[in-house]
Amino acid sequence: EPEVTQTPSHQVTQMGQEVILRCVPISNHLYFYWYRQILGQKVEFLVSFYNNEISEKSEIFDDQFSVERPDGSNFTLKIRSTKLEDSAMYFCASRTGLAGGGGEQFFGPGTRLTVL
Amino acid sequence: AQRVTQPEKLLSVFKGAPVELKCNYSYSGSPELFWYVQYSRQRLQLLLRHISRESIKGFTADLNKGETSFHLKKPFAQEEDSAMYYCAPPRGQNFVFGPGTRLSVLP
Repeated sequence: EPEVTQTPSHQVTQMGQEVILRCVPISNHLYFYWYRQILGQKVEFLVSFYNNEISEKSEIFDDQFSVERPDGSNFTLKIRSTKLEDSAMYFCASRTGLAGGGGEQFFGPGTRLTVL
Repeated sequence: AQRVTQPEKLLSVFKGAPVELKCNYSYSGSPELFWYVQYSRQRLQLLLRHISRESIKGFTADLNKGETSFHLKKPFAQEEDSAMYYCAPPRGQNFVFGPGTRLSVLP
């Protein structure tokens, strides 16, 4: 059964460095998402992406964040200058293009980002 | 604004006991609600959605519009049900996840 994959599983970086988190969504899916989960807290929506552009973003997704679909398979989240508070688990998700909002989203295993 | 609350952070029950994980929502329009589950060291996965009215792994959830609730229930909990459970109403194309309830089923 196809799955969303994410690399790396764990990323450690110094404060102020740029990081790129990578995701490969399920191949026939059209909607892509990033969520994050700070340790001990709830899963928070960051951004959704459809038709090669951001369709919605939360207040967390500020100018330090960007997303890209550089080719037909990868979906990346870039944090330009990491802060300590960016330490979290980052989940990628994707879903099909079936009509209606909120259809099932399929999640990746997550990337744990640790900012030192 | 859509809001979802899960009042219990942690719920412990003994194996074989009934379990109810509470979820309340505030919503405008007709809600469509999902439950997602995250087992230890696994990814978030869909458990069930109210629109399909199906029972997955013995769990059911009924949408109660009068009480604005979508509680998740199982008559006899199993140890393998221990996990984090998230109530998730969609908002447009996205999900607004509740804070989650950690279910611990004791032997």
